Parts: sequence; C-alpha cells; structure tokens
Amino acid sequence: EDQVTQSPEALRLQEGESSSLNCSYTVSGLRGLFWYRQDPGKGPEFLFTLYSAGEEKEKERLKATLTKKESFLHITAPKPEDSATYLCAVQAESSASKIIFGSGTRLSIRP
Amino acid sequence: EAQVTQNPRYLITVTGKKLTVTCSQNMNHEYMSWYRQDPGLGLRQIYYSMNVEVTDKGDVPEGYKVSRKEKRNFPLILESPSPNQTSLYFCASRLTSAFSYNEQFFGPGTRLTVL
Repeated sequence: EDQVTQSPEALRLQEGESSSLNCSYTVSGLRGLFWYRQDPGKGPEFLFTLYSAGEEKEKERLKATLTKKESFLHITAPKPEDSATYLCAVQAESSASKIIFGSGTRLSIRP
Repeated sequence: EAQVTQNPRYLITVTGKKLTVTCSQNMNHEYMSWYRQDPGLGLRQIYYSMNVEVTDKGDVPEGYKVSRKEKRNFPLILESPSPNQTSLYFCASRLTSAFSYNEQFFGPGTRLTVL
C-alpha cells in the first residue's frame, strides 16, 4: 500500500537554528514527490517537486533532497516567518490522478 | 490574479440538511480535486475530475457527490451531511490531467461543522 510518513510531528526551533524535516515514502514507482507549506487557516502552497533520487531543489532558506526511500526538507537559519506546517506528498507511476499526502510537520520558530 | 476560490469559507449546519460547497478556478486548469483535512490524518482525496464531465472517486468518497459541467467549476455536494463529515475541505486544481505532474493550486478552505 502506498504510504507517506512525516517526522517529527512538531518541531520547535530557535531563530537561526538549522534542522531537517523527514518524509519517508512507500510507493510502487515514484512519479514525483512534492513539498507544500501550509499556514494556519489557509490552503497548502506549493514549494518543490522532486522526480528522481539525488535531485535537490532550493528556495531561500529551504532545500529539499530525495533518496529512494525518503526526502528531507532542510531549513537553514530559519526565521519566525518560516513557522508553518510542511506537507509532503507523492504521486505513484501507476496513478495520474492520486496524490498521497503525509500528515505534516508543524514547525515553530522562536525569535 | 490566478486563484482557486471556495464558498462558503465557514459553514455550520445540521444533520441531514443538503449543502453545496462551490469551487471555481480561473486558470483554465483541466484537473480539479476535493480534499478533506482532519487532525492526524492529513489531506485525503474525496473526488477528482480529469476534465469536464469526467469525475472519479478518491480515497474517501462516501457521503459526497460532485459534478463538472464547466471547466472552471467543481462543486462538492453533501446530500445528507452527518457529524463525521465535520472537517476542513480544500478544492485544488492543476494544469493537466495527463501522466505528468504540475503544481497543484489550493483554495483557501471551507470549515464545515455538522451538528
């Protein structure tokens, strides 16, 4: 069964304290892995798509990496405005329509 | 501005009273989808539509109906809502429905409470 697991559920960091969020996935052939940011009371906002192991994408203080079993979202020197829930999702090769989401990591950055 | 809109944003209703949540996108996207989000369960797909007049079930379709008569609109219908349908609902759209992935745009969400 296709599955996405994110860890930790919640993470509290001090401003400037770098860390990583994990997304482990089990899927029958990966078509793509996606990261979204979700602020309270809002819809998810697209961040990255990764397609193959070894691929990396960067955006400001965020960097996403992909292996055959998991993806990491690295946050370098975070600021309070990076506080949000980060969602990981995968699309299997067998399905053009189905995107499976993890339950997210709630990130809080203290000033 | 490119966007997905949903209405209403908040709704409190009673068991059994039919309701419709509207969703509209102005990006000429082929693919549209409905999700519900519950604590600890993440986003789960309810229904999706690959194009006009083409809809299919997602992971949790029971108790919901959809229709896609126009490309821009994809309403979610709850014919007889029950308390277990209390949730946060998101509509989303993306450019193509073929075997490729494009960025998915989400609406702002509809918080539904069924008493």
